[in-house]
Amino acid sequence: GQQVMQIPQYQHVQEGEDFTTYCNSSTTLSNIQWYKQRPGGHPVFLIQLVKSGEVKKQKRLTFQFGEAKKNSSLHITATQTTDVGTYFCAGPRGAQKLVFGQGTRLTINP
Amino acid sequence: DSGVTQTPKHLITATGQRVTLRCSPRSGDLSVYWYQQSLDQGLQFLIQYYNGEERAKGNILERFSAQQFPDLHSELNLSSLELGDSALYFCASSVQSSYNEQFFGPGTRLTVL
Repeated sequence: GQQVMQIPQYQHVQEGEDFTTYCNSSTTLSNIQWYKQRPGGHPVFLIQLVKSGEVKKQKRLTFQFGEAKKNSSLHITATQTTDVGTYFCAGPRGAQKLVFGQGTRLTINP
Repeated sequence: DSGVTQTPKHLITATGQRVTLRCSPRSGDLSVYWYQQSLDQGLQFLIQYYNGEERAKGNILERFSAQQFPDLHSELNLSSLELGDSALYFCASSVQSSYNEQFFGPGTRLTVL
């Protein structure tokens, strides 16, 4: 079945450094969604990408959807301590199921 | 605040027992999803309901069951509990389907002793 793989599993950076997490699907996705889960919190929707090659920005966060709609990335410029958390990508499997990647846990050294 | 509520927040019980977790979706959302998150793990999809009907099942054990009521709130029933069932259980809702963004509740932390 459809799998969504995310790398790296963990990433530790110094505050101010950049961070990137990558998401790859075994099948073409209709869209890709990104969520952030703060430590002790619940996943919160960040963004949805729909079009092939789409790039969206939210302040220091840049999201990309691959041309083949099978991969995506999230890049954070100049990380801040508020960026700490686990970032999940997710792709729909039909209309009923959202398949989540395993997540990338970001920790930051202030 | 996502608009999704879950009760209880914490639940501590013993092996072999049965518990019910409750979820109220965001106003206007017809789909409810249940996920299990074990320590340092990803989100494992359990089951989805749409407007009262079961639409999809994931890796849900036979000891687990769920339902969605006419007022759209949902309950997840876990029975014959085992130590390995200890986890965070999240409920999420969306307007219609998995093509739409999901709004997660705060979760219920279940501890089985």
